[in-house]
Amino acid sequence: RKEVEQDPGPFNVPEGATVAFNCTYSNSASQSFFWYRQDCRKEPKLLMSVYSSGNEDGRFTAQLNRASQYISLLIRDSKLSDSATYLCVVPSGGSNYKLTFGKGTLLTVNP
Amino acid sequence: EAQVTQNPRYLITVTGKKLTVTCSQNMNHEYMSWYRQDPGLGLRQIYYSMNVEVTDKGDVPEGYKVSRKEKRNFPLILESPSPNQTSLYFCASKGANQPQHFGDGTRLSIL
Repeated sequence: RKEVEQDPGPFNVPEGATVAFNCTYSNSASQSFFWYRQDCRKEPKLLMSVYSSGNEDGRFTAQLNRASQYISLLIRDSKLSDSATYLCVVPSGGSNYKLTFGKGTLLTVNP
Repeated sequence: EAQVTQNPRYLITVTGKKLTVTCSQNMNHEYMSWYRQDPGLGLRQIYYSMNVEVTDKGDVPEGYKVSRKEKRNFPLILESPSPNQTSLYFCASKGANQPQHFGDGTRLSIL
């Protein structure tokens, strides 16, 4: 299994749709996980941190399944402004300082 | 305002001509890191630094050097740039129990 692997996408959804991305990781010792959002040619920005089974912030829900070693990101009621690349980030080597980024999943929300 | 500042933002140069990309943060963060982002490969960590005078290799350190003489600065040095180092580079910093803050990115083209 690759260190961090994401759904390849791209995802094209209409406004208002619910969309989910999955990410699998290989390091079973990882304790915390992150979803970042990156707009085209811009810097990544933290969307959500996941430390236990999951986290919810408004329309966004992140879930962690340690047994299967995957995390998911669910976006409800998609907005045009949600169009971006979503990056799954997993610490490697048991440290929160050496991070491995997934290749990202491109989401386009259409009017 | 909390910032990670990279310079230059854009640079076109030639093979073999030494260059330095500067990175400065004003948040008194101990941790700083450099990444490169390439199409199809995602963000890959080059070097990171846990504190002043403490640096360590990331996943793709070959061809790069860094230094951390003071907490706020973490320059990335390409002693003899080659075309395969053409990429989008991001610097990031992080405080304890905080997410990474990324700079705006530096787009390097090595001809």
